[in-house]
Formats: sequence, C-alpha cells, structure tokens
Amino acid sequence: GAGVSQSPSNKVTEKGKDVELRCDPISGHTALYWYRQSLGQGLEFLIYFQGNSAPDKSGLPSDRFSAERTGGSVSTLTIQRTQQEDSAVYLCASSLRVRGMRETQYFGPGTRLLVL
Amino acid sequence: QQQVKQSPQSLIVQKGGISIINCAYENTAFDYFPWYQQFPGKGPALLIAIRPDVSEKKEGRFTISFNKSAKQFSLHIMDSQPGDSATYFCAATAGTASKLTFGTGTRLQVTL
Repeated sequence: GAGVSQSPSNKVTEKGKDVELRCDPISGHTALYWYRQSLGQGLEFLIYFQGNSAPDKSGLPSDRFSAERTGGSVSTLTIQRTQQEDSAVYLCASSLRVRGMRETQYFGPGTRLLVL
Repeated sequence: QQQVKQSPQSLIVQKGGISIINCAYENTAFDYFPWYQQFPGKGPALLIAIRPDVSEKKEGRFTISFNKSAKQFSLHIMDSQPGDSATYFCAATAGTASKLTFGTGTRLQVTL
C-alpha cells in the first residue's frame, strides 16, 4: 500500500517568504508527527497530532512555525517569514495508535527546504 | 540539551565485519528504544527496537544490546554488507509520549 507522502520534495525560497509543506499520512493512521532534520543535528521533534488536535507542540522552534491537520488526514506545516536557519529536511511520520501497544512511526521521504 | 548521545559519527567497516554503534541516554523515563535506518533521499525506517526489560534483542544480522544501569544501548550489525551502507539513528521514547528523541546519527559505509 501507499506510504507517507510529502510535497513538495524540494522547495527553494527567499528569506522572508512563507512556505507550506504538505504531508499525506498512511490511510487510517490516527497519529501524525513532524520532525526536522538539520545537517549533523539528527532529527528534531516539532509537533504531534492525534486526529485533528495537537496535544504536543513543544518542538515548534518559534511562533513563525504552525501546523494543522484536517479530516484526520492531511497535515500542513507552515513557516512564516522564513529565515536561513530554517533550511533543513522536514519529515512527516504517521502511526496507528493501538491502546497498550507500541506504535511504529512510518516516515515520508521529506521536504528539502532551502532558504536563500 | 542532547538527551540521546550517539557515536561514532561515521564508521567504515569491511564487508563481513561487525558494525557497532553506541548510544547513551539521560532521561530515565525513556522506556522504548528503536533504531532507524535511513538511505539517502529517503525517510528513516524502523530497523529494530527494544524495551528496557530485556538486555538483548536479535533480528537476523541486527542485535540491540541494552544496559539499563549504564543507560546505554548499542546496535550490532553482524556480517556487514555493502547494502547496509546507510545512516543509522538510535532513538528513545517515554511512556505515552510518543515523540521520538533521536541521536545525531551514524553514517555507516561497508566496503568490499
């Protein structure tokens, strides 16, 4: 079946512009995560959705970052007034939460964002 | 603050050799430790995972060793193959908080 898909795969933007990154999770997966992968920094948690609500936004680095999820499916990560330090690979993951069981997060291929 | 420390940053192993990657954590609330494998241009994929109530878990050529008292765990890849060349991330998660805390990654190259 289809995995997690993300679009665009690459995005080049100018400093100060807004960008929107899209994630289509695996069908039926209730949980959705956004991570950021910077060169040499590993993967950094940004935000977690359960359904359409975001019980954990603790990783969003500033108020320029926001995310939403609609219909318990597609999610959009928005970065306003982009800065050069926002350049990174933004990864989305989804999982099926089953009570009492550890979930496996399935990652998409990521969106490579370059802010000039 | 780096909650999961991973070493080495890069590793070169000959085909057939053993690759060993180490991780250490500080948060004693962590209770699940997965390893992810990432190929260039792809997202990470779960390789193997362990809970702290066991000291070792083996799946094929991949083994996790876990030392709860030392708060350390490691990935061993036996009979390393060129197809194993990838970046490996250790991770940890705590209880119902499902977000993964990742190490900084190890780039493994297996040479012929």
